Amino acid sequence: DFVMTQTPLSSPVTLGQPASISCRSSQSLVHRDGNTYLSWLHQRPGQPPRLLIYKVSNRFSGVPDRFSGSGAGTDFTLTISRVEAEDVGVYYCMQSTEGWAFGQGTKVEI
Amino acid sequence: QVQLVESGGGLVKPGGSLRLSCVASGFTFTDYYMSWIRQAPGKGLEWIAYISSSTSHIKYADSVRGRFTISRDNAKNSVFLQVSSLRAEDTAVYYCARGGGFDPWGQGTLVTVSS
Repeated sequence: DFVMTQTPLSSPVTLGQPASISCRSSQSLVHRDGNTYLSWLHQRPGQPPRLLIYKVSNRFSGVPDRFSGSGAGTDFTLTISRVEAEDVGVYYCMQSTEGWAFGQGTKVEI
Repeated sequence: QVQLVESGGGLVKPGGSLRLSCVASGFTFTDYYMSWIRQAPGKGLEWIAYISSSTSHIKYADSVRGRFTISRDNAKNSVFLQVSSLRAEDTAVYYCARGGGFDPWGQGTLVTVSS
């Protein structure tokens, strides 16, 4: 089974400043097709999660360009270049290389 | 507009059952496999079941295998989750989501297991 570990679990941030979240997988997320199926999701309070980033670094439709993803193999990072108030909530990494597994979530608060 | 709407949640006693439904609109339902994911109150996300577009492939998380059954009716653009032998730890918001990337998610339906 894939175990996804996020750090930190809580991240106080300052508006206009950068923020980053790390995600580590217990196994390589490189699929036999050559793709790496690591996504990032954002959940605002009282809302369902929504997809931000897929296949490590691809921003989903409508996602602001202040969000970026990077990494390879087992180590990945979500970076917000300049935090805005609407970015608060919980961020989850998710692997879908084999089945699906989520990280524990990182709570971002101003 | 792509939309998923869940229903069927509620309060149920331990050992009881419910049938959760998810109706899809705004896309070709038969082009996608579907999943159910749950979130216990104040906790993280747990994937629990997946069904392929043709229903030929089904997979469950260990935590629900043998108690939950996923199905779909392509004629009604719907996916279902029969939840049985419920335990207190099954209390959660249950979401359906489209495809492998889980985009989009429905608003969820709350299942509360309590005596």
